Amino acid sequence: AQKITQTQPGMFVQEKEAVTLDCTYDTSDQSYGLFWYKQPSSGEMIFLIYQGSYDEQNATEGRYSLNFQKARKSANLVISASQLGDSAMYFCAMRESHMTTDSWGKLQFGAGTQVVVTP
Amino acid sequence: DSGVTQTPKHLITATGQRVTLRCSPRSGDLSVYWYQQSLDQGLQFLIQYYNGEERAKGNILERFSAQQFPDLHSELNLSSLELGDSALYFCASSVDGAGSTDTQYFGPGTRLTVL
Repeated sequence: AQKITQTQPGMFVQEKEAVTLDCTYDTSDQSYGLFWYKQPSSGEMIFLIYQGSYDEQNATEGRYSLNFQKARKSANLVISASQLGDSAMYFCAMRESHMTTDSWGKLQFGAGTQVVVTP
Repeated sequence: DSGVTQTPKHLITATGQRVTLRCSPRSGDLSVYWYQQSLDQGLQFLIQYYNGEERAKGNILERFSAQQFPDLHSELNLSSLELGDSALYFCASSVDGAGSTDTQYFGPGTRLTVL
């Protein structure tokens, strides 16, 4: 079963506007971590922001904030004041806390959302 | 720059061949992970090592193997290569590899093309 769902394959946003990227997740763990990564066209994966399942405050890192709604199992990324350099693929990922031989520390990724920022 | 290094950046080889991908983790990180990114499968976890020992195995084919050396660098060996093995292979590292808060930092990736 899909653990991470990103329903927006792609979106356009104008420079200086805010954009929200949707992410829903599925887990029965009480303790888990949610991560967002950015992948520009050059290919590298850049860590953006982390939210722990027990964190009461939404995570923020500069222009990135995470809208965490635990009951809805959603962890949407908000990018404020978009810049041309924000054009990239964005991945939501989850790390569960239960440890098994096939999942000890792995990240499970969604399919990604392609963001294009236009002038 | 994440601090994770991977070599080579690009690799072009033929079917049936064997290649080795190399990864050096960030200073201080004990855990190394390998992921494969392909158009049809997305990002898939392959294998994790912690301080030289295998910790978890994901969707890794039997033709693939990996190890982590005493200096903590890791190698991913891919043998009997097939066209479908063409992908971007990422190495990531984290401090201790346990718990849900441990952030993984990714290297730049090795793009493998099998002709």
